[in-house]
Amino acid sequence: QVQLQESGPGLVKPSQTLSLTCTVSGGSISSGTYYWSWIRQPAGKGLEWIGRISASGNTKYNPSLKSRVTTSVDTSKNQFSLRLSSVTAADTAVYYCARESSGETVKLYYYYYYYMDVWGKGTTVTVSS
Amino acid sequence: SYELTQPPSVSVSPGQAARITCSGDALPKKYTYWYQQKSGQAPVLVIYDDSKRPSGIPERFSGSSSGTMATLTISGAQVEDEADYYCYSTDSSTKGVFGGGTKLTVL
Repeated sequence: QVQLQESGPGLVKPSQTLSLTCTVSGGSISSGTYYWSWIRQPAGKGLEWIGRISASGNTKYNPSLKSRVTTSVDTSKNQFSLRLSSVTAADTAVYYCARESSGETVKLYYYYYYYMDVWGKGTTVTVSS
Repeated sequence: SYELTQPPSVSVSPGQAARITCSGDALPKKYTYWYQQKSGQAPVLVIYDDSKRPSGIPERFSGSSSGTMATLTISGAQVEDEADYYCYSTDSSTKGVFGGGTKLTVL
């Protein structure tokens, strides 16, 4: 089955750029109708959706972070990445990568659904000088 | 911006039914998803499409949706079900939105 593993520095200085990579194993990042997403969780707080990217590079970001977020995909390495610029202490959190299942469905009317069905274990990133 | 609202906490005795609600204006039109997060672990999907259960999730977990409210029910809650539970959906722009989370205590 598909597994995801986050990697990257655990400590980032204020105003610098946080960079994380998620490695996908047990399946191809290019197969199926999946997107690849990032979610974060400050200590003791709830989950915050950061954004998603498809294998072909289509992206969607949380407007609250959009100006600072960049995501990319490397299909040759079966990896996708997150960059968050100009970080502050408020960006200190556990960062999760996840696979988002997507497609068209109907409830009251037809729409495109997205939801996370496989998660990585998460990696803690602390922003501090 | 779109919001999903959950009660901060729910408490039940072992064997009782636990019900966790999630309200949102778009829920009549969009499915709700539920995640279980035990302490120090990554979230796990327990309900998708309002009421479907992924393989490996115990039958005591069920979901329903009516109007602007979705409900996760754990029939006969067990001590190992103690966790934070999050509802999830997407807004009109397909941005992902989580509820604030509900801490379930079983004691």
